[in-house]
Amino acid sequence: QSVLTQPPSVSAAPGQKVTISCSGSISNIGNDYVSWYQQLPGTAPKLLIYDNNKRPSGIPDRFSGSKSGTSATLGITGLQTGDEADYYCGTWDSSLSARVFGGGTKLTVL
Amino acid sequence: EVQLVESGGGLVQSGGSLRLSCAASEFTFSNYWMSWVRQAPGKGLEWVANIKQDGSEKYYVDSVKGRFTISRDNAKNSLYLQMNSLGAEDTAVYYCARPQRGYDYGDYDYWGQGTLVTVSS
Repeated sequence: QSVLTQPPSVSAAPGQKVTISCSGSISNIGNDYVSWYQQLPGTAPKLLIYDNNKRPSGIPDRFSGSKSGTSATLGITGLQTGDEADYYCGTWDSSLSARVFGGGTKLTVL
Repeated sequence: EVQLVESGGGLVQSGGSLRLSCAASEFTFSNYWMSWVRQAPGKGLEWVANIKQDGSEKYYVDSVKGRFTISRDNAKNSLYLQMNSLGAEDTAVYYCARPQRGYDYGDYDYWGQGTLVTVSS
């Protein structure tokens, strides 16, 4: 059972928009920055969003992040088949003194 | 280009030990916190441990405390994970990861290719 809660799966059609939620508590999301990662099958995770809403260079603006209270959201617009992957949120948990990840969300582009 | 290359994984019996290494190149290793993250087969990511630039601070996930030790050798640009008392629950691909700004804000922009640890009973 992950400290951060994500929906196991989401799906949408190509060109559409999807959001992935990440729910936590005051000791983690409510108290620190959230990062988001994309993991394609058989590869290492790739940083998509850091500091709640910033994109590393090279990440298209189709990807966005937001945070409110103890929840965070990853948004992806203009869905492409290449976006099919697992997505993870992560942050620091001050109660555990450890970094925590959500359980992951599998995105299917129908 | 920044490179992180893990090694040391393999098959080990339950209760055994293993030492993972991560060789870093093309960046000033001593300026960065470093982390280990693992992923059990078919499961999600689990952060394992991190270590400060000079090794003076270390943090671990509860499930490995007392069994795993993270360390580094800045002269050799290398990160290590000593794993003792291994159990089936430790079977995973282990990644080393670098935060993009030096301090560990959880923003890991470079990851190794991973090394598989399999614990057999």
